[in-house]
Amino acid sequence: EAGVAQSPRYKIIEKRQSVAFWCNPISGHATLYWYQQILGQGPKLLIQFQNNGVVDDSQLPKDRFSAERLKGVDSTLKIQPAKLEDSAVYLCASSQSTGGEQYFGPGTRLTVT
Amino acid sequence: GENVEQHPSTLSVQEGDSAVIKCTYSDSASNYFPWYKQELGKRPQLIIDIRSNVGEKKDQRIAVTLNKTAKHFSLHITETQPEDSAVYFCAAQMPNTGNQFYFGTGTSLTVIP
Repeated sequence: EAGVAQSPRYKIIEKRQSVAFWCNPISGHATLYWYQQILGQGPKLLIQFQNNGVVDDSQLPKDRFSAERLKGVDSTLKIQPAKLEDSAVYLCASSQSTGGEQYFGPGTRLTVT
Repeated sequence: GENVEQHPSTLSVQEGDSAVIKCTYSDSASNYFPWYKQELGKRPQLIIDIRSNVGEKKDQRIAVTLNKTAKHFSLHITETQPEDSAVYFCAAQMPNTGNQFYFGTGTSLTVIP
């Protein structure tokens, strides 16, 4: 079975610019997660979707971050405007349901200069 | 808030020795505890998991133990090999917060040939 796909793999932007990341979960997986992983730390959940609805976005900095999963399949995560501290790897993961095993995508490494 | 603590942050062992990584969690309702291995520049990969109705689970050289009373769980790797060198993350799923996963801060394991 195909894994979780993410693009782009790398992105370099200047502060105050905007950026968008895309994720395609494993087929049939209802739950989709976006994580931020800062170098040397564990992944931190930003937002969790169940189909096209948001389950939890309590740790999403909503003044600059937004995410959507309009048709309950692909998802995009946007940052506008970016700050230096947003430099991190953004990981997408999916699971069949909210209580199931998570499978991670390869991540997008964002560098904000 | 909810959190997961992981120790040690770095661990070096001689090839063939055992390695043990420990995690504690705060929410007694947590019911699912996966362990991930992350090699440099790659995605986290699930290596073993345990649910709260089980005290121990083993898969070849890897085992996980869970003490619900003390709210801690541990990863045990026996007969370590150089290819076991990676960063290991524990996580706990917490049903009281939308089944969010909270990750530990990671343990960098080095197996010395």
